[in-house]
Amino acid sequence: AQTVTQSQPEMSVQEAETVTLSCTYDTSENNYYLFWYKQPPSRQMILVIRQEAYKQQNATENRFSVNFQKAAKSFSLKISDSQLGDTAMYFCAFMKHVDYKLSFGAGTTVTVRA
Amino acid sequence: GAVVSQHPSRVICKSGTSVKIECRSLDFQATTMFWYRQFPKQSLMLMATSNEGSKATYEQGVEKDKFLINHASLTLSTLTVTSAHPEDSSFYICSAPGQGADGELFFGEGSRLTVL
Repeated sequence: AQTVTQSQPEMSVQEAETVTLSCTYDTSENNYYLFWYKQPPSRQMILVIRQEAYKQQNATENRFSVNFQKAAKSFSLKISDSQLGDTAMYFCAFMKHVDYKLSFGAGTTVTVRA
Repeated sequence: GAVVSQHPSRVICKSGTSVKIECRSLDFQATTMFWYRQFPKQSLMLMATSNEGSKATYEQGVEKDKFLINHASLTLSTLTVTSAHPEDSSFYICSAPGQGADGELFFGEGSRLTVL
């Protein structure tokens, strides 16, 4: 079984600043996907970024980027130029290669201060 | 883009009654859908995999007789919480894979169940 650990229950960041969320995971799989999802107060799950384990290049999506360290089983998310709309709960998630079952971390609540 | 819709978004029921939650893929077919449960300020936990035309597969610890899943068509999966009790109160979310077999998933808006 895969476990996903997010060790930061809450993070606060000033608008326009940068915040980094940590995520580690444990797996014996070699081929898998890692995700960061955002869950705003509406509770709708929104995909922020996705990383395929066989790709060494770190994924980026506009202001969001990851630092994927496969050997260390680490997958951190960096939010640059934080905006008020980034306030949400962020979940790190693991998927064994295309079985579509997600294992989620406990989540990190991010609050962006004006 | 692909859309997954859940209904109802909120439901309140009395203890002992059954409640059905629907999950629909609106513009694509989904032979498989997934049901998650989320308690307040907690993570999502996978409950079961809904399979079109066959029985659902449940995760360890999930009571199949309590949480009945039916995947009657390529666009609809239903979760029925039978003989609901207050401890079943939770947020239930479904997801469906995209068509690309590349790990893409689409989530429904979620359904908040409150059992009185």
